[in-house]
Amino acid sequence: DTEVTQTPKHLVMGMTNKKSLKCEQHMGHRAMYWYKQKAKKPPELMFVYSYEKLSINESVPSRFSPECPNSSLLNLHLHALQPEDSALYLCASSQDPALAAYEQYFGPGTRLTVT
Amino acid sequence: AQKVTQAQTEISVVEKEDVTLDCVYETRDTTYYLFWYKQPPSGELVFLIRRNSFDEQNEISGRYSWNFQKSTSSFNFTITASQVVDSAVYFCALSEAYRGGNQFYFGTGTSLTVIP
Repeated sequence: DTEVTQTPKHLVMGMTNKKSLKCEQHMGHRAMYWYKQKAKKPPELMFVYSYEKLSINESVPSRFSPECPNSSLLNLHLHALQPEDSALYLCASSQDPALAAYEQYFGPGTRLTVT
Repeated sequence: AQKVTQAQTEISVVEKEDVTLDCVYETRDTTYYLFWYKQPPSGELVFLIRRNSFDEQNEISGRYSWNFQKSTSSFNFTITASQVVDSAVYFCALSEAYRGGNQFYFGTGTSLTVIP
């Protein structure tokens, strides 16, 4: 099973709302990732969790707050977003954060619209 | 500098034609890994293949084949007898051993449209 699940599939939120994106994998992977993807662009790395600890934050604004409650779950808490934050948010996982050899498996994404 | 270049932004082919998607990479690492992903309109990136820098054998999987040439730093992807279901954006990606598993360098993607 190489499935990464994400909820919700679509989310519309106002600039004053607080919402959360959820990601789950049951492959025993120890690295989990959040990416942001704008239309016609490649995914941009936001955060990396390695063994449930935040290992990389690519200078993401604090209105995005990641959380890894356990090895299977990854959340992205959203607060006071801007319209330019509208994008597809992708979660991914890979087997071992220490090794470049492993492919990343992606979830279907959450299409976020900020109004 | 762009580590992965996909010079073809958009390609259109008629169904049953063969099509090759180009990928050129740049790295100083001697150990690295190359990947291809497919992103259909639904949005999910689907892993297609991984190749390590020490294995230059070409790979064939059904209608898909990959040609890896270290001499030209290229990892090209060919779809034989294309089908409408092949319509998607295809991304080539690079990871470097010294960086561990934390950094994928994606190319800008090639949008393939297969016309019935």
